[in-house]
Amino acid sequence: DAKTTQPNSMESNEEEPVHLPCNHSTISGTDYIHWYRQLPSQGPEYVIHGLTSNVNNRMASLAIAEDRKSSTLILHRATLRDAAVYYCILTGLTGNQFYFGTGTSLTVIP
Amino acid sequence: DVKVTQSSRYLVKRTGEKVFLECVQDMDHENMFWYRQDPGLGLRLIYFSYDVKMKEKGDIPEGYSVSREKKERFSLILESASTNQTSMYLCASSQLAGVSQFNEQFFGPGTRLTVL
Repeated sequence: DAKTTQPNSMESNEEEPVHLPCNHSTISGTDYIHWYRQLPSQGPEYVIHGLTSNVNNRMASLAIAEDRKSSTLILHRATLRDAAVYYCILTGLTGNQFYFGTGTSLTVIP
Repeated sequence: DVKVTQSSRYLVKRTGEKVFLECVQDMDHENMFWYRQDPGLGLRLIYFSYDVKMKEKGDIPEGYSVSREKKERFSLILESASTNQTSMYLCASSQLAGVSQFNEQFFGPGTRLTVL
């Protein structure tokens, strides 16, 4: 599976939008883009995923570049409970394994 | 509610001991995974299994073995624990890829293992 590149850390003020970037320049045409987050002292949990089109769910939005070489996870109004490590992962349709990497540690400032 | 459970949240063992970490899932998932998580290194895959009695090495299998005798249970075995195996161990499960493009991984709460 192709690898992703994310900033090590980001900060955001509470109640402001947060844009978490991810670069995946070697993505293949059938790779899905998944985002997971890991809250302190917990295992990672699913946030959102997409293939080509932008996606929205109750937790976040996923904006995918037209060339698919990058994507952005958008938290519309950061809360203190959003402080976590966010992982951007690529997986093919037949790929059972995820490569998590080190993710982006998000700090939310009250 | 979907569940992945791990046998212990905290475990302290001595160097040279044989250690068993157990993971059970109740979602009838084909895939099960063992990761370890260390500061600055993120989550790294140790082993995964896509069926009973089947296993595949991940990125860091050295020093570990696994057992999957039943679909719902996946065990990680440290044959002779060493201090560099002190870490957080996370188990996960998912459907087999291709069944659904979603193949979300569900994680257990983790086991923090300390080897003295």
